[in-house]
Amino acid sequence: GQQLNQSPQSMFIQEGEDVSMNCTSSSIFNTWLWYKQDPGEGPVLLIALYKAGELTSNGRLTAQFGITRKDSFLNISASIPSDVGIYFCAGQVVSSGSARQLTFGSGTQLTVLP
Amino acid sequence: SQTIHQWPATLVQPVGSPLSLECTVEGTSNPNLYWYRQAAGRGLQLLFYSVGIGQISSEVPQNLSASRPQDRQFILSSKKLLLSDSGFYLCACFFGGAGELFFGEGSRLTVL
Repeated sequence: GQQLNQSPQSMFIQEGEDVSMNCTSSSIFNTWLWYKQDPGEGPVLLIALYKAGELTSNGRLTAQFGITRKDSFLNISASIPSDVGIYFCAGQVVSSGSARQLTFGSGTQLTVLP
Repeated sequence: SQTIHQWPATLVQPVGSPLSLECTVEGTSNPNLYWYRQAAGRGLQLLFYSVGIGQISSEVPQNLSASRPQDRQFILSSKKLLLSDSGFYLCACFFGGAGELFFGEGSRLTVL
């Protein structure tokens, strides 16, 4: 089956620093999604990418859909304490006639130190 | 508006007791619905998905079952809970035609 390798597993950074995390796959995806999960809550969608090479920003967040369609990265600029949480990547292969399914990375735990 | 409601939010149950977690969605019709489990605050494991009323697909054979009695209702059940069933259970749904999966608030299950 499809697998996503997400790295790093965890990060400890100083407030104000930039953050970068990425996901790679052995399979091609049509869609890449990035989520953030706060403790005790469901994941919240941050950015959705639909085209190879697409670069999309959402405030201090920037994500890119890799040209090969097998990878994606998420950057967070000028981190703040509320950026703490677990970040998940997810890839989707859209095929007609079947239920949509996402393959999730294992998550990156981000800690922002004051 | 499009929303996903899960309840209960937290549940503490003894081993061997039954379980029922409920998920309802609003603002869409004939959605694809999903149950995920998350252990130890990390990876998301797909348990069940449903493309319509009465249609359930299981991804992982285990002690749990799912049902979809109505278009926008998805229920996760167990007849006898195991310690290993503890975790954070998330209901999810695709809204609209975009490939964006949205999650409910989650239900925290502790089996003692």
